[in-house]
Amino acid sequence: GAGVSQSPRYKVAKRGQDVALRCDPISGHVSLFWYQQALGQGPEFLTYFQNEAQLDKSGLPSDRFFAERPEGSVSTLKIQRTQQEDSAVYLCASSWGGTGGRGSNQPQHFGDGTRLSIL
Amino acid sequence: DQQVKQNSPSLSVQEGRISILNCDYTNSMFDYFLWYKKYPAEGPTFLISISSIKDKNEDGRFTVFLNKSAKHLSLHIVPSQPGDSAVYFCAASGVDSNYQLIWGAGTKLIIKP
Repeated sequence: GAGVSQSPRYKVAKRGQDVALRCDPISGHVSLFWYQQALGQGPEFLTYFQNEAQLDKSGLPSDRFFAERPEGSVSTLKIQRTQQEDSAVYLCASSWGGTGGRGSNQPQHFGDGTRLSIL
Repeated sequence: DQQVKQNSPSLSVQEGRISILNCDYTNSMFDYFLWYKKYPAEGPTFLISISSIKDKNEDGRFTVFLNKSAKHLSLHIVPSQPGDSAVYFCAASGVDSNYQLIWGAGTKLIIKP
């Protein structure tokens, strides 16, 4: 497809389980971002990749969160030992340039997100 | 500490009239601003952006105005159409962290027929 694709769309897990969320960015996009969005709030930055390099992971809430993009295309966000507060929509975005979406010709394009519910 | 604020959770506008969505920011290092539109169960879709070197940017029915001294920006939609009903997010980035987008909480726009 032409857009950013995320899977699964919905994920329900029991507290303590590990989950993995997948993001397929737009082909050729250098920059990839993960955001966490709580109900009624705007997205909050988690981490940023430029190709395969994770340049910023300052937004990851704890060491239970881990993201990778080993070949510079598909990315996986993994959450270990999930907690109820991890329940949120996880959004992935990609942009063409290496400046992370700055500039009017290269905004961040978003997938439809994965809605994660921890019981 | 919210660096980007959208103080109106919702806004209702008659079809055909102008919709004005507002956004305030506190970080003077922000130099690039974007508006995104979001439908339920979908990801945000980019609408329009503006650099701090400009005070206005227009794209069809959408115009964004930036007032740097007031640290305020607004999105004007004219004329408003039923398909414009969605949640609108303001986002900003700065030279001190030039890839992170900092987002407001969104304003739900309802266009009445």
